[in-house]
Amino acid sequence: AQSVTQPDIHITVSEGASLELRCNYSYGATPYLFWYVQSPGQGLQLLLKYFSGDTLVQGIKGFEAEFKRSQSSFNLRKPSVHWSDAAEYFCAVGEDSSYKLIFGSGTRLLVRP
Amino acid sequence: DADVTQTPRNRITKTGKRIMLECSQTKGHDRMYWYRQDPGLGLRLIYYSFDVKDINKGEISDGYSVSRQAQAKFSLSLESAIPNQTALYFCATSRGQGVRNEQFFGPGTRLTVL
Repeated sequence: AQSVTQPDIHITVSEGASLELRCNYSYGATPYLFWYVQSPGQGLQLLLKYFSGDTLVQGIKGFEAEFKRSQSSFNLRKPSVHWSDAAEYFCAVGEDSSYKLIFGSGTRLLVRP
Repeated sequence: DADVTQTPRNRITKTGKRIMLECSQTKGHDRMYWYRQDPGLGLRLIYYSFDVKDINKGEISDGYSVSRQAQAKFSLSLESAIPNQTALYFCATSRGQGVRNEQFFGPGTRLTVL
């Protein structure tokens, strides 16, 4: 069965510092991978997605993620965090033949001034 | 105006009461979904609908029912609410077949069952 693990429940970084949020998945074939962000009081917004091709994908708000098949990982990165990036981040995996997304448990990002 | 709206945004109710959460969308999407979010568990799918006549159970449908009144409206009902249904509920929509098509989420409804 598909599964997604986000090992970090909370991460705190200083404004201007770099960020990496971890995501590991379990899936037999090539997965479709997503990162969503949930700002306080808001629904989820898609940051980026990977289906195939270049393993480094660019998203909105200056985020990027790298698909590493050998490590079953799809980590989210940002070179310089802004205070407005404080939010909860969800990694998700899906298969093309299905409607279904499997979400990780989320990582809450706190940004220090 | 938001493309996916949910009402109410917050609701407190008592055990045994019937509750309906409503979702409306102006995106013209055919597919609609209901998820619940619990701390530390991410989002889990309750029900999904591919069109007005096609409704399917998700992974945690027990204790819930849904109604797709029109392409733009998808309601979630708790027939007899219980405390462990306290959660944040999200509606989402997408167009077409397959997970490639982005799901767009509403702002959520926070439900508390006392």
